[in-house]
Amino acid sequence: DSGVTQTPKHLITATGQRVTLRCSPRSGDLSVYWYQQSLDQGLQFLIQYYNGEERAKGNILERFSAQQFPDLHSELNLSSLELGDSALYFCASSRTPQETQYFGPGTRLLVL
Amino acid sequence: GEDVEQSLFLSVREGDSSVINCTYTDSSSTYLYWYKQEPGAGLQLLTYIFSNMDMKQDQRLTVLLNKKDKHLSLRIADTQTGDSAIYFCAGFGGSARQLTFGSGTQLTVLP
Repeated sequence: DSGVTQTPKHLITATGQRVTLRCSPRSGDLSVYWYQQSLDQGLQFLIQYYNGEERAKGNILERFSAQQFPDLHSELNLSSLELGDSALYFCASSRTPQETQYFGPGTRLLVL
Repeated sequence: GEDVEQSLFLSVREGDSSVINCTYTDSSSTYLYWYKQEPGAGLQLLTYIFSNMDMKQDQRLTVLLNKKDKHLSLRIADTQTGDSAIYFCAGFGGSARQLTFGSGTQLTVLP
């Protein structure tokens, strides 16, 4: 158990809908990262937050957004969902942006 | 940006050693990681090596880093059926300042 928690574990929704994925980092970690894992794209970095501020952006679509709250938990919002958004979404956390990242168990999203 | 490459599959017999290889392109990567993913599970950190090291050993795991060739390997001694999983190599640092993953190597351990 890495200490990073993610909810929900599974999510099934329809095209065009919007969902919110939630992540709680390990105790003491200030940095949160979001990744998408799909069969065709592999593991892709989406976005990073550090102490509430966006720090780095990867291959994140404009339909996707995230934020980190004062209690350091983070949410990833996915809107206007498409079939191709079906994937495993991981959250990771680290104490600082340069330190080792620990991953949560992931949220499996299925868009029908 | 950084590119990280791994072979897709590796099959070994139980009790043998496994060697999973990885190449990366960004010579300024400061840390190189190995993560393990079991079916339906998240990524478990196995070990990491700092770029100024050549080797790191941790119980059954040995990481070798060849900076000149930008080549990283993970050796698992006495491989067990429980080691069957996907192993990801990842580099951090350099110009990207983010963790870049390889495609993963599916390790199958045969009894």
